Amino acid sequence: EDKVVQSPLSLVVHEGDTVTLNCSYEVTNFRSLLWYKQEKKAPTFLFMLTSSGIEKKSGRLSSILDKKELSSILNITATQTGDSAIYLCAVLAYNTDKLIFGTGTRLQVFP
Amino acid sequence: GAGVSQSPSNKVTEKGKDVELRCDPISGHTALYWYRQSLGQGLEFLIYFQGNSAPDKSGLPSDRFSAERTGGSVSTLTIQRTQQEDSAVYLCASSPTSNEKLFFGSGTQLSVL
Repeated sequence: EDKVVQSPLSLVVHEGDTVTLNCSYEVTNFRSLLWYKQEKKAPTFLFMLTSSGIEKKSGRLSSILDKKELSSILNITATQTGDSAIYLCAVLAYNTDKLIFGTGTRLQVFP
Repeated sequence: GAGVSQSPSNKVTEKGKDVELRCDPISGHTALYWYRQSLGQGLEFLIYFQGNSAPDKSGLPSDRFSAERTGGSVSTLTIQRTQQEDSAVYLCASSPTSNEKLFFGSGTQLSVL
């Protein structure tokens, strides 16, 4: 059965810290990996990764995919309180059109 | 519309009652998904519609759950004879085609008493 595992489940940091969130997957016919940020209810898209070793970057956030290790990391540098959210990792396979989500990492950033 | 719209935003019902949840996707998006998120859990896939193709219902947890999409646009998720374990946030998402990033609605918080 396809699955996505995220770690840690929860993370508490102070403003200015750098955090690394992990996502590993076991999916047949992997196509792409996506990161979402969920602050209240609606997850919002962050990154889509399809090629191994190529970093995607947006401001203080960056992500990279390692197809050999079947994993991805999401880095947030100089964290701010507004980064507090649940970060969801999801994987898409070629033989299906549905995203398989992990349970998420809850990040809390305190001033 | 500007984004995916879901209604109601909150629904409280009694065990055994039927409920209908509505999703209005972004105009022109052919793919529509329903996911469920229980407290502290990830998103659980329920059902997927793509254009006029038969929907992928593989995630529906029981035959009490059904969904339809009329005219390739608005979708309704129906839960019959609700149970307490149905309490969750039901999220709808759409995308221009399949295999693209999803745009999520704000969800319906369902509470079954």
